[in-house]
Amino acid sequence: NAGVTQTPKFQVLKTGQSMTLQCAQDMNHEYMSWYRQDPGMGLRLIHYSVGAGITDQGEVPNGYNVSRSTTEDFPLRLLSAAPSQTSVYFCASTEGGGYTGELFFGEGSRLTVL
Amino acid sequence: GENVEQHPSTLSVQEGDSAVIKCTYSDSASNYFPWYKQELGKGPQLIIDIRSNVGEKKDQRIAVTLNKTAKHFSLHITETQPEDSAVYFCAASWAQGGATNKLIFGTGTLLAVQP
Repeated sequence: NAGVTQTPKFQVLKTGQSMTLQCAQDMNHEYMSWYRQDPGMGLRLIHYSVGAGITDQGEVPNGYNVSRSTTEDFPLRLLSAAPSQTSVYFCASTEGGGYTGELFFGEGSRLTVL
Repeated sequence: GENVEQHPSTLSVQEGDSAVIKCTYSDSASNYFPWYKQELGKGPQLIIDIRSNVGEKKDQRIAVTLNKTAKHFSLHITETQPEDSAVYFCAASWAQGGATNKLIFGTGTLLAVQP
């Protein structure tokens, strides 16, 4: 199993551009989520999904869109990038529809918005 | 919603000493408290967790304690080794509408173990 795979690992955008961060997992996990990590702020939940076709907002959802058409994939879309979205983004998944155990993280995607 | 505070933000210890990281949470309904370790350039990995019906849990050199009344929990690492150097995050589950579907993290502690 590859676990949780994120692409790209690095990306530089200009303000106003849009892009999609890809996340795929091969563990048949129902639950998937996106976090952003900023210095001194820890990991903050952006959006999450408890199963295909179901998504909901986390702590910091503004400026981001998600969809979940399959169990395996959970892409994160930046609609119009802003410098405040410069961060490291982590996708994570866990078995079941809630937190009953281990959250598996990808290796992260580092985004810089100029 | 849930709020998790973590202290200290940085911690430096000598190899062989113990390290303690403390977290407090705000939502008395939280019932699951994991700890994650993040090495440089990697995603966080679960190292230990505790549920609200347990006061303490140990796994070799790592232990976690939970005080539900005071709403705080702590990570204890004994006999620290250089490979313990990393960023450690505490977290608390947040149940909304009966569904535990959010995990809220603390701000992290950078642990440096000096050889």
